[in-house]
Amino acid sequence: IVLTQSPGTLSLSPGERVTLSCRASETVTSNYLAWYQQKPGQAPRLLIYGASDRATGIPDRFSGSGSGTDFTLTITRLEPEDFAVYYCHHYGSSRTFGQGARLEIK
Amino acid sequence: QVQLVQSGAEVKKPGSSVKVSCKASGGPFSSYAISWVRQAPGQGLEWMGGIIPMFDAPNYAQKFQGRVTIVADKSTSTVYMELSSLRSDDTAVYYCARGSRFLEWFNDNWGQGTLVTVSS
Repeated sequence: IVLTQSPGTLSLSPGERVTLSCRASETVTSNYLAWYQQKPGQAPRLLIYGASDRATGIPDRFSGSGSGTDFTLTITRLEPEDFAVYYCHHYGSSRTFGQGARLEIK
Repeated sequence: QVQLVQSGAEVKKPGSSVKVSCKASGGPFSSYAISWVRQAPGQGLEWMGGIIPMFDAPNYAQKFQGRVTIVADKSTSTVYMELSSLRSDDTAVYYCARGSRFLEWFNDNWGQGTLVTVSS
């Protein structure tokens, strides 16, 4: 499965809402789709698994949705610490990451 | 709290091999998947392969088949990743990551990363 994320880079301001897209080349079974956040020099941080379940300790401004081949990560009311790179990840039988989406401060 | 501690940075010559370790502590070991993910400088995440120690059956991304070997030592709660026939484009930070739930492959615990530099 190939995961394609869009857009590649987004420039937004704190307080805005953002939706990141992840499209799979084949149907993702059992919603085996996760989202991670990565900041420079740090390991990725799990945000969402099962397409829509928030990981432990993740603020409720982060939400995931989708099924089949189309998935989204939405962040309502961007905080300064949310500016980072976001990756979607298929963890079914063929595990792979999207190429990433960079969220920049405008 | 589960902790993954990786071995230190390595500098290798092209054509050689590198072996990186990932020691788990603070939680169950055998029934949780350990994945290896690498990140070249300025690039994205790349899943290389992984293993669930209780099954002892590693699986590898097609790109790395024949070049990567992942083994688990249940006696020391350590997983090893060996990459052979190194090239300059294997220069990357290599992460191990633990599955969040029993037999699941999404990861909420990551090692600190190991920088492998391939240079003549």
